[in-house]
Amino acid sequence: QVQLEQSGAEVKKPGASVKVSCKASGYNFTSHHMHWVRQAPGQGLEWMGIINPSGGYRNYAQKFQGRVTMTSDTSTSTVHMELSSLRSEDTAVYYCAREQYQGASCWGQGTLVTVSS
Amino acid sequence: SYELTQPPSVSVSPGQTASITCSGNKLGDKYVCWYQQKPGQSPVLVIYQDTKRPSGIPERFSGSNSGNTATLTISGTQAMDEADYYCQTWDSSIVVFGGGTKLTVL
Repeated sequence: QVQLEQSGAEVKKPGASVKVSCKASGYNFTSHHMHWVRQAPGQGLEWMGIINPSGGYRNYAQKFQGRVTMTSDTSTSTVHMELSSLRSEDTAVYYCAREQYQGASCWGQGTLVTVSS
Repeated sequence: SYELTQPPSVSVSPGQTASITCSGNKLGDKYVCWYQQKPGQSPVLVIYQDTKRPSGIPERFSGSNSGNTATLTISGTQAMDEADYYCQTWDSSIVVFGGGTKLTVL
């Protein structure tokens, strides 16, 4: 079955960077783009961007332009999302989600990133 | 930038029909997805391309989209349907989520 397994929780200081990983299994990794979505505590879903795991195409939400980098490693069926210059407002659960049907048909379990001095 | 507007909360009695709306400019010209999220869990896709249900989603979930409003309808609402619901669409290669609606079954 389709699974997205994300890396574990992180605690970072303001100004640092964080890299979250998402390992896909159960389907052809290069056949579906991958979204990254975050959710601050008690808040709604916020789209960060999308990547084609085959390479090349990426599209980032304007809010994160210049701070986010999405990459993929086809040898391990893993996508990564790195967010730099962290601030307290970046404290959130970060999800990867497989694009399908112009939506997200399968989601990872989420990775809590806490930014605190 | 494009915006989707949802009511913050909707209440429904068990066995009744719940309707959750999502409004946006000419939303009927776009495809809409709906997600269910229960506390502490990842979102689950319940409706895609306005009206279609993924495998495993109960038939009581249905969707529509016309004009400026998309609607998620839950017929015969059950206690297990209590959750947050989010609508989502694409605009100019950007994904947009609604603010979410908390469905209370009481």
